Amino acid sequence: DTEVTQTPKHLVMGMTNKKSLKCEQHMGHRAMYWYKQKAKKPPELMFVYSYEKLSINESVPSRFSPECPNSSLLNLHLHALQPEDSALYLCASRTGTNTGELFFGEGSRLTVL
Amino acid sequence: QQQVKQSPQSLIVQKGGIPIINCAYENTAFDYFPWYQQFPGKGPALLIAIRPDVSEKKEGRFTISFNKSAKQFSLHIMDSQPGDSATYFCAAPWPHMNSGYSTLTFGKGTMLLVSP
Repeated sequence: DTEVTQTPKHLVMGMTNKKSLKCEQHMGHRAMYWYKQKAKKPPELMFVYSYEKLSINESVPSRFSPECPNSSLLNLHLHALQPEDSALYLCASRTGTNTGELFFGEGSRLTVL
Repeated sequence: QQQVKQSPQSLIVQKGGIPIINCAYENTAFDYFPWYQQFPGKGPALLIAIRPDVSEKKEGRFTISFNKSAKQFSLHIMDSQPGDSATYFCAAPWPHMNSGYSTLTFGKGTMLLVSP
C-alpha cells in the first residue's frame, strides 16, 4: 500500500466552485510534488515543494494554488477551473529533491463540469 | 527538457511470455532510473529502479537491464501473468532548469496486456 494518502479520491465541481485536494505522507520526506495526469498520458509535473518552500512551479495557471502547511501535508486549492482541467491529480513525495525514490499516492480524480 | 523515448506503445503477450519494454534517454548526471506500474484509476506504483553503476537488477519476476554507453534501459517481466496487465512508465532524472533540483521525466508509457 502507498504511504502517500490523497483525499478525496473523487471530486466533481462546477467552474465557479472552490475546492481543495489534500495529500499526507509520514515517511519523513522533505520534497513533495503535485502532478497532473490525463488519460493514457504520463504524469506531468505541476509543483515541487522542498522543505515546505515552493521550489518549482511549472507555469501552472493561477486557478491552481498549492500550499504546504508542514512537512507532512500538501494541499492543492482549486478555483474557477475549466472542463479541460479534468484529470487525475497525483501527489508524490521523495526523501529530498535530489535524493531517494519518488512515491505516488493513488490520486484524486477530478471532474470539472 | 530531457527526452525519454519508450517503446513499444502497447504490447500483448500470452501468459508465461516475457514482455520487454525499452527506454532511451538523452543525458543525465543523476542517480537512478525507475520503472512505474499503473493500473486503471490508480496512481503509479514504483516497481523497480536501477543505479547507473550496475548493468542489471532483479526483483522477483521483474528485471531491469541498463546499458550506460547506449543510454538505454529495459524492463523484462518473466513468466508474465494476467495480473501484470497495466501501463508501465520508465523515467529518468533531469536537472530542472533554474532550480538545481532534479525532476523525473517520464516515457509515454506502454500498455501491456497479458492474455490468459
